[in-house]
Formats: sequence, structure tokens, C-alpha cells
Amino acid sequence: GAVVSQHPSWVICKSGTSVKIECRSLDFQATTMFWYRQFPKQSLMLMATSNEGSKATYEQGVEKDKFLINHASLTLSTLTVTSAHPEDSSFYICSAQRLAHHNEQFFGPGTRLTVL
Amino acid sequence: RKEVEQDPGPFNVPEGATVAFNCTYSNSASQSFFWYRQDCRKEPKLLMSVYSSGNEDGRFTAQLNRASQYISLLIRDSKLSDSATYLCVVNKGAEAGGTSYGKLTFGQGTILTVHP
Repeated sequence: GAVVSQHPSWVICKSGTSVKIECRSLDFQATTMFWYRQFPKQSLMLMATSNEGSKATYEQGVEKDKFLINHASLTLSTLTVTSAHPEDSSFYICSAQRLAHHNEQFFGPGTRLTVL
Repeated sequence: RKEVEQDPGPFNVPEGATVAFNCTYSNSASQSFFWYRQDCRKEPKLLMSVYSSGNEDGRFTAQLNRASQYISLLIRDSKLSDSATYLCVVNKGAEAGGTSYGKLTFGQGTILTVHP
């Protein structure tokens, strides 16, 4: 149990385009999902907290108008990178929180974004 | 001071060795503690939660010292497949007035390589 999927697993796009990444909890409901970004040889950095039915909460330094988050159901959150630039190239990972057992978070397999 | 600090290593050990990782956290209000492992270019996967009384799962033993704000992970009889980055992760718990059950803060990870 506790499977989280992400789609797509990788994407290459031109500078200026928008990219949408989906995160789904497959066998449990998640009122809270999280979006992280990881640059090479660095640890995960939390970008935002996605709450079902309400606005996302962004970490300091993360532009909410650039990284649009929608959490429309208890099993789906989406992150849209708008007007992507090469510096947005990174590994984007979502997690879904299971409200039991220490509120463990389970991670999706990640999306590797490359902006040319 | 970082919120979660780990010795980055790398640790290079032979098969069968016992290896210990240490982690300290700065927020005394932290409520949940975890060890995750991350393989190269993959998402983090939950290895084990860490309970106040200490807990064991097969070859892995985790301990928590709240007074010292210290967490440890012991791996016995190391296998080649244990090679990975081990992430110490802390959850601060529910935020007052918020809907999130707490954001995870990651240490920078400790690299372990087990060799034949």
C-alpha cells in the first residue's frame, strides 16, 4: 500500500513553455501533498504544501505565480511550471501524507524536468 | 545552524560490516522522526519511523534521544544493496491554525557505499 505516482517521469521542453506535473495517491486519500525540488547533489527542498480544497502554501522564495498548484481531489495534486527557463531544470518530487502512523509521507517517483 | 544535520560521509564499508549514522535536529518541538533512503536519481523511500523507545526492523535499528535532539540509525551485516544515501527527516507536527500535519525537513543525507 501507500503508492504515489507521478506523471510524466521526465520532460524536455523549450524555454518559455509551461509544464504540468501530476501527483496521485493510488491507494489512500491524501488531504495534504507536498512538492519538492532537488538539484544535483543536494537534498530535497520543500517548495509548497498542497491542501485539498484550499490554496497552496508556498515556502519563502518560491514564486506562487510561477509554480501553480492545484489540489482538486483527495488523490490528485498538480504542479504547473509556467514559462519555464533553464534554471527551472530540476528533479521535482511530490509526496502524499497518510494520516496515520506518525503521518508518514510517501513519495512519487519524481519528474525530471529539462528546459532547453 | 541547519535544522537537521547529518555527517555527509561518504561511508565506505565492506559487506558484513556494522555502520552507524548520526543526526541532530534543532527544533525541540519536533514530533516525528524518520529515516529515508534515496538511491541515485530516484525518489526517497521510507526506511523506518523512529520511536522514542527505539525500534528495530531486521538489520536496522533506530534510536531517538529527545533530550539531546539526536537520532541514530544502525545497520548490521551490511549488504551491497544497502548502498544509498540515507536521509534523516524530521516532522515538526501540526501547525497552529493550519491544515497541514507538518512539513518534513531533510538532512543533507549520508552516502553509504558497501563494497565486496
